[in-house]
Amino acid sequence: GAGVSQSPSNKVTEKGKDVELRCDPISGHTALYWYRQSLGQGLEFLIYFQGNSAPDKSGLPSDRFSAERTGGSVSTLTIQRTQQEDSAVYLCASSLQGAQRGEQYFGPGTRLTVT
Amino acid sequence: GDSVTQMEGPVTLSEEAFLTINCTYTATGYPSLFWYVQYPGEGLQLLLKATKADDKGSNKGFEATYRKETTSFHLEKGSVQVSDSAVYFCALKPGGTSYGKLTFGQGTILTVHP
Repeated sequence: GAGVSQSPSNKVTEKGKDVELRCDPISGHTALYWYRQSLGQGLEFLIYFQGNSAPDKSGLPSDRFSAERTGGSVSTLTIQRTQQEDSAVYLCASSLQGAQRGEQYFGPGTRLTVT
Repeated sequence: GDSVTQMEGPVTLSEEAFLTINCTYTATGYPSLFWYVQYPGEGLQLLLKATKADDKGSNKGFEATYRKETTSFHLEKGSVQVSDSAVYFCALKPGGTSYGKLTFGQGTILTVHP
């Protein structure tokens, strides 16, 4: 079956613009995670969704970052007024359940470049 | 807070050489430990995992043993292949949590030459 998909695969934007990154999880996966992979910081957790709610947003770096999930499926990560330090690969992962043993399946990522 | 430290790379080996990538962690309680692999142009994939002390995870000839006394989860393979060239990430999930928030190491780039 289809894996986790993300779009766009690459995004180049000018500093100060807003961007939206999309994640389509594996069908039936109730848990969804966003991570960021950057040169300086490695791979960092951003936010966790269980269904449509986000019980853990502790990794969002600033209030310019927000995310939502609708219908228990697609999620959108929005970055407002982008800065150069936002340049990174944004990864989405989903799992069958939020419980301890649910393996996370990762998407290919969106490479964001802020010029 | 929780953290994972991996040996610095990149690591370059010849085919059939022995591989060790060191990983140590800091966490309270009893975390679960993972190795993920990212092949060129692909997404992260789970390679192996261990959920309690002394557990050994294994997959595709790779092994790692959860050592609580040394807070380590070193990745080993007896004979690497060119196809093992990838970036390897050690990660932990805190114990006692109901969801899979992962803390990753910095990643180690492995290149295997024929």
